[in-house]
Amino acid sequence: GENVEQHPSTLSVQEGDSAVIKCTYSDSASNYFPWYKQELGKRPQLIIDIRSNVGEKKDQRIAVTLNKTAKHFSLHITETQPEDSAVYFCAAPRSGFQKLVFGTGTRLLVSP
Amino acid sequence: DTEVTQTPKHLVMGMTNKKSLKCEQHMGHRAMYWYKQKAKKPPELMFVYSYEKLSINESVPSRFSPECPNSSLLNLHLHALQPEDSALYLCASSQDGRETQYFGPGTRLLVL
Repeated sequence: GENVEQHPSTLSVQEGDSAVIKCTYSDSASNYFPWYKQELGKRPQLIIDIRSNVGEKKDQRIAVTLNKTAKHFSLHITETQPEDSAVYFCAAPRSGFQKLVFGTGTRLLVSP
Repeated sequence: DTEVTQTPKHLVMGMTNKKSLKCEQHMGHRAMYWYKQKAKKPPELMFVYSYEKLSINESVPSRFSPECPNSSLLNLHLHALQPEDSALYLCASSQDGRETQYFGPGTRLLVL
């Protein structure tokens, strides 16, 4: 079955710095990779996703890259702001894509 | 309407109580999900309904009983829960089980 590893578990940066979170998946059939942001006490919110037919996708300060050969995908946040502080989860599909397997999460802290 | 709603927001129940969690979406999505999330952990899938039929049960104890009355509603009936069942219960929906999942705000459950 699918296994998703996520690193680092915590990441502290200064405001304005870049942050990179990396995930590795095991199922070569996986073709959809979402990233969720969860602020304290709130729901996971989709911030960006990528499908396996592209290598990179950008949305303002957020980008996701996918390396299908190495089976890893990464979230890149540029010009970080304190409001980016949250837990970020990557995910990959399993079981005919009805099930998302989540990474263990990365707690990002952006200091002013 | 692009939201998934859940009621109640908070629930405190004793181990002998029976209660229900409710989830609703009006996005025309045909797949709905129940997740359990413990503090500092990723969401953990419990059940998947696809076109109003239960398609995935992740070996959840029978004290949790899901129900999908129609394509917009999803319930989770709770009976004889244990203190370790205290968690945030998240509902999600997706177009047809293969696309992006959108989460509701969750019900924070405390079992005494």
